[in-house]
Amino acid sequence: SQTIHQWPATLVQPVGSPLSLECTVEGTSNPNLYWYRQAAGRGLQLLFYSVGIGQISSEVPQNLSASRPQDRQFILSSKKLLLSDSGFYLCAWTWGSDEKLFFGSGTQLSVL
Amino acid sequence: QKEVEQDPGPLSVPEGAIVSLNCTYSNSAFQYFMWYRQYSRKGPELLMYTYSSGNKEDGRFTAQVDKSSKYISLFIRDSQPSDSATYLCALTRGNNRLAFGKGNQVVVIP
Repeated sequence: SQTIHQWPATLVQPVGSPLSLECTVEGTSNPNLYWYRQAAGRGLQLLFYSVGIGQISSEVPQNLSASRPQDRQFILSSKKLLLSDSGFYLCAWTWGSDEKLFFGSGTQLSVL
Repeated sequence: QKEVEQDPGPLSVPEGAIVSLNCTYSNSAFQYFMWYRQYSRKGPELLMYTYSSGNKEDGRFTAQVDKSSKYISLFIRDSQPSDSATYLCALTRGNNRLAFGKGNQVVVIP
């Protein structure tokens, strides 16, 4: 069966520090991978979307970037965090044309 | 007008009651409809998935889609305290891009 791993679960970072969140999917190949951010009262915001290695679509211009160095690995990064980057970050995947989206357990990021 | 509207107001019900949640949408191109359940500080989990108008049942859960009115609903029968969570509707045009509602917080009181 397919599983998605996301870490860390909680992260507290100072303003201006770098960020790296990692997500891996097991049990499938060539998944579509997503990064979402969930802020209180604002719903789920799609940040990045990837259909394959090195292929990244950015949905919202911002302080963040994403990379997909391997088929089942998706990384969310920032060189310098802002206060506004605080939120709950979720990795997710679908496969092929299947619309069902499966989420990881999330990372609660607090930028202080 | 937002693509998907979901009233986020918290909903408190006594144990055993029927929970009724709904979303409205504006784009008739949406073809696939989902409901997710999200516990606090956890990732959303897929609860129901449907692509046609009508009802779909899974245990105590019923998803209802009315494409003509652009309205989807989720019903939870015999609600339990373990059903206390936030419920999000999600819709897609079939392009792997989901549009989410803001979520409905449900509290089932024992």
